[in-house]
Amino acid sequence: QSVLTQPPSVSAAPGQKVTISCSGSSSNIGNNYVSWYQQLPGTAPKLLIYDNNKRPSGIPDRFSGSKSGTSATLGITGLQTGDEADYYCGTWDSSLSRVFGGGTKLTVL
Amino acid sequence: EVQLVESGGGLVKPGGSLRLSCAASGFTFSSYSMNWVRQAPGKGLEWVSSISSSSSYIYYADSVKGRFTISRDNAKNSLYLQMNSLRAEDTAVYYCASIVVVVAASGMDVWGQGTTVTVSS
Repeated sequence: QSVLTQPPSVSAAPGQKVTISCSGSSSNIGNNYVSWYQQLPGTAPKLLIYDNNKRPSGIPDRFSGSKSGTSATLGITGLQTGDEADYYCGTWDSSLSRVFGGGTKLTVL
Repeated sequence: EVQLVESGGGLVKPGGSLRLSCAASGFTFSSYSMNWVRQAPGKGLEWVSSISSSSSYIYYADSVKGRFTISRDNAKNSLYLQMNSLRAEDTAVYYCASIVVVVAASGMDVWGQGTTVTVSS
């Protein structure tokens, strides 16, 4: 049971938009920045979004992040087949530990 | 090139011990906190432990507290995870990771390729 709650799966057609939610509490998301990771099969996670809504260099602006209260959302527009992956949210907890969501599998139909 | 390379994984019997290493290159290792994150087969990411740049602050997940010890040698640009009293549920790919390239309050932007630990009799 992960501390942060994500939907197990989402799907959409190529070119469409999808959002992935991440729900937490005041002890984690509510008082800390959120980051998002993409994990392609058999590879290490890759940072997509940090500090709620910032993108590292090289991450296309098709990926966006937002946070409101104790929830965060990852948005992906212009879906491509190469976006099929597992996506994880992460943040800090009040106990100074890092916590992750259970992950969401994105299928591009 | 900023790089993290893990090693030391393998097959170990329940109750056994293993020491993982993570070699850093391409950045000033001594300036950055470091983390271990694991992923059990078919499961999500689980944070294991963090250590500050000077080893002054160390944190563990409850699931490994008292069994695992994180450490670092800044002179050798290396991070370690000593794992004792291993259990079947410790079976996972173990990644070392840090926030190095971006200036951020959250996230980890550099990850190793992972090393696999299998605990089985």
